[in-house]
Amino acid sequence: GAVVSQHPSRVICKSGTSVKIECRSLDFQATTMFWYRQFPKQSLMLMATSNEGSKATYEQGVEKDKFLINHASLTLSTLTVTSAHPEDSSFYICSAIDLLRGLSFNGYTFGSGTRLTVV
Amino acid sequence: AQRVTQPEKLLSVFKGAPVELKCNYSYSGSPELFWYVQYSRQRLQLLLRHISRESIKGFTADLNKGETSFHLKKPFAQEEDSAMYYCALETSGSRLTFGEGTQLTVNP
Repeated sequence: GAVVSQHPSRVICKSGTSVKIECRSLDFQATTMFWYRQFPKQSLMLMATSNEGSKATYEQGVEKDKFLINHASLTLSTLTVTSAHPEDSSFYICSAIDLLRGLSFNGYTFGSGTRLTVV
Repeated sequence: AQRVTQPEKLLSVFKGAPVELKCNYSYSGSPELFWYVQYSRQRLQLLLRHISRESIKGFTADLNKGETSFHLKKPFAQEEDSAMYYCALETSGSRLTFGEGTQLTVNP
């Protein structure tokens, strides 16, 4: 079945530094990738949608200059948290879908998530 | 605006008992609904989607447009069903809106 690999699984960084999170589709082409944020004991909140080769579309309230998303190929999307602060500490999850094949092919496939801690 | 509500954050049942996880939605368009499951320390996995009308691991869910509900049911719960369950609604741009989730515990 479809697999999405997300790295790193955990990262601790100092306040003010930037952190890059990678999301790769291993056996299918991810025409569209989604980035979510999940706070403890809360649901997944969609941050942005990225289509391969296009600029990401951010949800209301998400700072695009802080959360840089790149989706340069059909198998890789990255989320860079720039100038991270403690309030950015959270669990970040990516999801990928092959829209060319339609929802019936694989649906949405999720990465295993990245626990970011900013100290 | 679209919204997914899962009224129960915690649900505990005994093994062999029926279980129903509630999900209600609010959406002006034609709803595409999903149930996702997250077992301990694992990633989110698709459990079922309403368009396929499948039964996965004994779970079923029927879309009731009149009541705007998509409740997840299983007649006989198993201990291995203990997990976090999320109801999700697909909206424009293939985006998913998730409910708050229900933590199901099946006791022996």
